Amino acid sequence: QSVLTQPPSVSAAPGQKVTISCSGSSSNIGNNYVSWYQHLPGTAPKLLIYENNKRPSGIPDRFSGSKSGTSATLGITGLQTGDEADYYCGTWDSSLSAVVFGGGTKLTVL
Amino acid sequence: EVQLVQSGAEVKKPGESLRISCRGSGYRFTTYWISWVRQMPGKGLEWMGRIDPSDSYTDYSPSFQGHVAVSADKSISTAYLQWSSLKASDTAMYYCASGHGSSDPFDYWGQGTLVTVSS
Repeated sequence: QSVLTQPPSVSAAPGQKVTISCSGSSSNIGNNYVSWYQHLPGTAPKLLIYENNKRPSGIPDRFSGSKSGTSATLGITGLQTGDEADYYCGTWDSSLSAVVFGGGTKLTVL
Repeated sequence: EVQLVQSGAEVKKPGESLRISCRGSGYRFTTYWISWVRQMPGKGLEWMGRIDPSDSYTDYSPSFQGHVAVSADKSISTAYLQWSSLKASDTAMYYCASGHGSSDPFDYWGQGTLVTVSS
């Protein structure tokens, strides 16, 4: 069981928008920054969002992040087939003194 | 360009020891902490622990404390993840990761090392 809860899967058509939720608690999301990662099969994970809503250089603005209380959300607009991947949220957990990840969400672009 | 390059895939038997490596380049190795992340087959990412290469301070996720050891040799810009006695359940892909802080977010990732433990 992951400390952070994500839906196992989401799907949408090309060009559409999708959101992926990440639910935690006051010991993790509630009091720490959230990051989001994209993981394509056979590759290393890639940082998409850090500090809740900031994008590293090179990440298109189709990807956005937000946080409210003990939950965070990743948004992806203008879906492309190349966006099909697993997406993970991550943050520091102050009670565990550890980085924690969500269980991952598989995005299917129909 | 910051790069983390990991050692190659390993096939081991239960009870054997193993050390895998992660070499940093393109930056001052002692600047960024290095973490290790496990992905078991068909499962999600799990943070195992981290090391500060400047002084070799380490800490671990409670789930991995006592089961693995993280170390580093700053003279060759390399971090290590080590097992003294492997189990079949250690079969997984292992990634090293780093960033501008001591932990998450991880801007940089190694390519992964697949460890297979089977009799």
